[in-house]
Amino acid sequence: SYDLTQPPSVSVFPGQTASITCSGQTLGEKFVSWYQQRPGQSPVMVLYQDNKRPSGIPERFSGSNSGNTATLTISETQGMDEADYYCQAWDSSTAALVFGGGTKLTVL
Amino acid sequence: EVQLVESGGDLIQPGGALRLSCAASGFTVNSNYMTWVRQAPGKGLEWISIIYSGGAPYYADSVKGRFSISRDTSLNTLYLQMAGLRAEDTAVYYCARVIRSGQSNWYFDLWGRGTLVTVSP
Repeated sequence: SYDLTQPPSVSVFPGQTASITCSGQTLGEKFVSWYQQRPGQSPVMVLYQDNKRPSGIPERFSGSNSGNTATLTISETQGMDEADYYCQAWDSSTAALVFGGGTKLTVL
Repeated sequence: EVQLVESGGDLIQPGGALRLSCAASGFTVNSNYMTWVRQAPGKGLEWISIIYSGGAPYYADSVKGRFSISRDTSLNTLYLQMAGLRAEDTAVYYCARVIRSGQSNWYFDLWGRGTLVTVSP
């Protein structure tokens, strides 16, 4: 099976930049999406196709994907960004949609 | 309004069966790739099943042989039939729409609010 690895937690001060990584074998050859899940709520997609933002997602959210690592970057982090973030990719070898384990972003 | 609404979650004994429903509005279920994703208490997201727009179903190994995904065109509803339930199946179950853009670009663009399944004696 294909595994995506994320750090369990990331902390950032308000106004600073938060970076959340997602690692997987040759991940750069796949497309990665990112989801935000606030406590008690359903996930919401914040990026797709590595770095594209859906309508309504602030420009503060950006992404990159190269080699074995994809990165979600949140600039000018705000308290409302505090949430769990999940990366996701499609594994063609198993025809499975795969999620990373999730990263809890804490805004200090 | 485009939305998904799940229902059917319940407290069920180990070994039991349950059917979850996901009513879609604002778009057509059978023209899209539709999935089920679950989240155990305090844990991460786990994809468990998908049905392609053409009707082919696929499952994660954790539920293969026990769960079955289907849809009803007339009701515009997605289903998940679960059998042989185990304690480890306890989770919030979300239905979601998947967008497939090209060979390897798959992402979840619409999620329901989820329904809770608790498997316990």
